Amino acid sequence: QVQLQESGPGLVKPSQTLSLTCTVSGGSISSGRYYWSWIRQPAGKGLEWIGRVYTSRSTNYNPSLKSRVTISVDTSKNQFSLKLNSVTAADTAVYYCARENAEGRNYFDYWGQGTLVTVSS
Amino acid sequence: QTVVTQEPSFSVSPGGTVTLTCGLSSGSVSTSYYPSWYQQTPGQAPRTLIDSTNTRSSGVPDRFSGSILGNKAALTITGAQADDESDYYCVLYMGSGIWVFGGGTKLTVL
Repeated sequence: QVQLQESGPGLVKPSQTLSLTCTVSGGSISSGRYYWSWIRQPAGKGLEWIGRVYTSRSTNYNPSLKSRVTISVDTSKNQFSLKLNSVTAADTAVYYCARENAEGRNYFDYWGQGTLVTVSS
Repeated sequence: QTVVTQEPSFSVSPGGTVTLTCGLSSGSVSTSYYPSWYQQTPGQAPRTLIDSTNTRSSGVPDRFSGSILGNKAALTITGAQADDESDYYCVLYMGSGIWVFGGGTKLTVL
């Protein structure tokens, strides 16, 4: 059974960089059949797709966040990561990592449990 | 930027049928957008219900079904139960590697 687990600081100061890692277990991140995404959800609000990475290290980002986001993959550790720079209080949210099944049925089939990141001084 | 639209809230009686929709601020939703649906209860990660318009995920009861109705994707719950009370999100693939979520529908069963 595939499992995803987010990790990283729960508190980030304004203007600094938010860094999170998603560790994948039960399957190889290198399989090439999937994309690996980050999605966030501010308290009481809806889901927002942030971006995704493929094992080839190609990436796609939400245009509204593109200037501040970097998503990378470390196949040796079976992990992928999110960096969001110049954060403000508006970036306070639960951040989820998710696997996107990309073999003709594009959708998010596995999700992490989510991790709350608060931006505050 | 294209906005994906969902009803903010909906209510259904136990045993009743409800259809939630997922549209576009401009244009029509088709199967090419790979519409998928997710159920979320407070404090939990989203659970995948439907993908590729109408494919139920493993373990999802058959009272949940997906379709294209007119110019929107739709999630229909037939015979609603109390534990279907949740937030429901759709997401559409816009092409060029971009996904956009709808704002979600809060479903009340009462």
